Amino acid sequence: DAEITQSPRHKITETGRQVTLACHQTWNHNNMFWYRQDLGHGLRLIHYSYGVHDTNKGEVSDGYSVSRSNTEDLPLTLESAASSQTSVYFCASSEEGLLDEQFFGPGTRLTVL
Amino acid sequence: AQSVAQPEDQVNVAEGNPLTVKCTYSVSGNPYLFWYVQYPNRGLQFLLKYITGDNLVKGSYGFEAEFNKSQTSFHLKKPSALVSDSALYFCAVRDIKLSFGAGTTVTVRA
Repeated sequence: DAEITQSPRHKITETGRQVTLACHQTWNHNNMFWYRQDLGHGLRLIHYSYGVHDTNKGEVSDGYSVSRSNTEDLPLTLESAASSQTSVYFCASSEEGLLDEQFFGPGTRLTVL
Repeated sequence: AQSVAQPEDQVNVAEGNPLTVKCTYSVSGNPYLFWYVQYPNRGLQFLLKYITGDNLVKGSYGFEAEFNKSQTSFHLKKPSALVSDSALYFCAVRDIKLSFGAGTTVTVRA
């Protein structure tokens, strides 16, 4: 069965370190997204991609970057982790149509000390 | 700018009773509306969507939602709630991107 996976599921890091969160989907979807979930804010879009070599900034992109070298993967990098980036991060993917539902990964809980 | 509001942080109902989770939206163009559910320690799961057509949309797990253009609402409903429906529910609106509400925690007591 097709799926979307994230790794690691839990990560503790220190302020200033570079951190990369992995996202891998086997749906063969063109669209991929990264969100962060914080209490009282719902999900906020960090970055998204509509295909290989395409990346776009979302509403909370400062301090984050992504790259899309193939269809299956969209890694999220925190260049220099800050305590404000402690959150739960979700990756999602969808088919090409912008009105198609998104399929979400299980999430990564990141703690920045 | 597009946005959705979920006016209730929490909804508590008894098993077997009707369940309603409220959502209102604001968009400049046509509203494309979604409901997702999140169970503890899991990612979000799609429930249903409104794109066009009938105002009553049926989705997964016995849920339905009613689109009301005059009231700019898209409330999620289930005629008879189950304990297993206890979860966090998100309304979302799609314009250029998908924007989520803050979520409503539903607790169904036995």
